[in-house]
Amino acid sequence: AQTVTQSQPEMSVQEAETVTLSCTYDTSESDYYLFWYKQPPSRQMILVIRQEAYKQQNATENRFSVNFQKAAKSFSLKISDSQLGDAAMYFCAYRSAKGAQKLVFGQGTRLTINP
Amino acid sequence: GAVVSQHPSRVICKSGTSVKIECRSLDFQATTMFWYRQFPKQSLMLMATSNEGSKATYEQGVEKDKFLINHASLTLSTLTVTSAHPEDSSFYICTATGTVYGYTFGSGTRLTVV
Repeated sequence: AQTVTQSQPEMSVQEAETVTLSCTYDTSESDYYLFWYKQPPSRQMILVIRQEAYKQQNATENRFSVNFQKAAKSFSLKISDSQLGDAAMYFCAYRSAKGAQKLVFGQGTRLTINP
Repeated sequence: GAVVSQHPSRVICKSGTSVKIECRSLDFQATTMFWYRQFPKQSLMLMATSNEGSKATYEQGVEKDKFLINHASLTLSTLTVTSAHPEDSSFYICTATGTVYGYTFGSGTRLTVV
């Protein structure tokens, strides 16, 4: 079974600075998808960014970018120019490209933005 | 974009009673619905996967007789917590597939059993 590990329970960053959240995963599959989700205090899950494993190019969405290292099974999220609204729980998630489309989530990282 | 309406957002029930949580896709057909449970400050744990018109597939360790899932139509899936006990208190989230957006999450239900 696939597992996702986020080794940083909490992170903090100064407003306008850059922060990187770590995620590693374990799988024997070669084709899959990886996601970063944001869960603010409202608890509504919000998709931040998505990466297809077959794509070598790292995904970017405005201030959010990933560093996808397939061989190392690493999928970190970089947030540039951090804003107060970025404060939330961040979850890394894995989905197989085959079979069930279920998402497997990591433990989450609570990000605090210091003004 | 796609929307999944989840109700109720909060519910308090007495121990021994049953509670039904609904997830309704408003503008798309939810071919598959996933039900997750989230304990305070913890991750989302998949409980079951439901497809319209078929029995739900439960994850290992999830009591299928306690957590009844029904996906009778392409727009509605329900989770019923039967004979609820305080240890069932948690945050329950549904998410549906069926659009180009990928996963559409409901807003969650906070269940408190007293």
